[in-house]
Amino acid sequence: QSALTQPASVSGSPGQSITISCTGTSSDIGGYNYVSWFQQHPGKAPRLMIYDVGNRPSGVSHRFSGSKSGNTASLTISGLQAEDEADYYCSSYTSYIRSTLVVFGGGTKLTVL
Amino acid sequence: VQLVESGGGVVQPGRSQRLSCAASGFTFGSYAMHWVRQAPGKGLEWVAVISYDGNNNYIGESVKGRFAISRDNSKNTLYLQMNSLRYEDTAVYYCARDQGGSAADYFWYFDVWGRGTRVTVSS
Repeated sequence: QSALTQPASVSGSPGQSITISCTGTSSDIGGYNYVSWFQQHPGKAPRLMIYDVGNRPSGVSHRFSGSKSGNTASLTISGLQAEDEADYYCSSYTSYIRSTLVVFGGGTKLTVL
Repeated sequence: VQLVESGGGVVQPGRSQRLSCAASGFTFGSYAMHWVRQAPGKGLEWVAVISYDGNNNYIGESVKGRFAISRDNSKNTLYLQMNSLRYEDTAVYYCARDQGGSAADYFWYFDVWGRGTRVTVSS
């Protein structure tokens, strides 16, 4: 069981917007702004899409945005494209699992219909 | 900017294995580094982090006491020493860069990833 909770799957049609949630606690998401989102295509390494809650690295499309409210972070993808179909993981710094300092969500499979 | 992991393979339970991560295209000694693993068909799990200068490191609870992280900045290489391997350590192991350096130890996000090296613990 992952420390952060994500929906197992979400889907949307091309051009639509979708939001993936990531729920934690006050000891991780709620307590720090160290929330990141990663995209992973099958057989590939993860790719950083969002860091520090809502910042986009250079090269990441403006269609990707991140936010946080309380203990829940969200990734929104607007104008869905076929290439967005992938697994998405959230992560956060944590202060409550003894020596474990970073926790991930279980991942969300995005299907573009 | 590139990270290339090596050292994976099939190893028996209870044995040891050392993974390496060779960095190129950036000043390796200016960045903190992490190891993250992914069991077959599963999600990501953080394993360990080491500061830019190697003076500090943290190991995840599930591998603490068995795994050790180190680096050789003169060789631009990160290491993960894995001892007393268990079946549940079977995974693809990724090294990843953290923006943390001399100004701030860690930023807690991973902006560059390697392709990973597969470790299979099997008798």
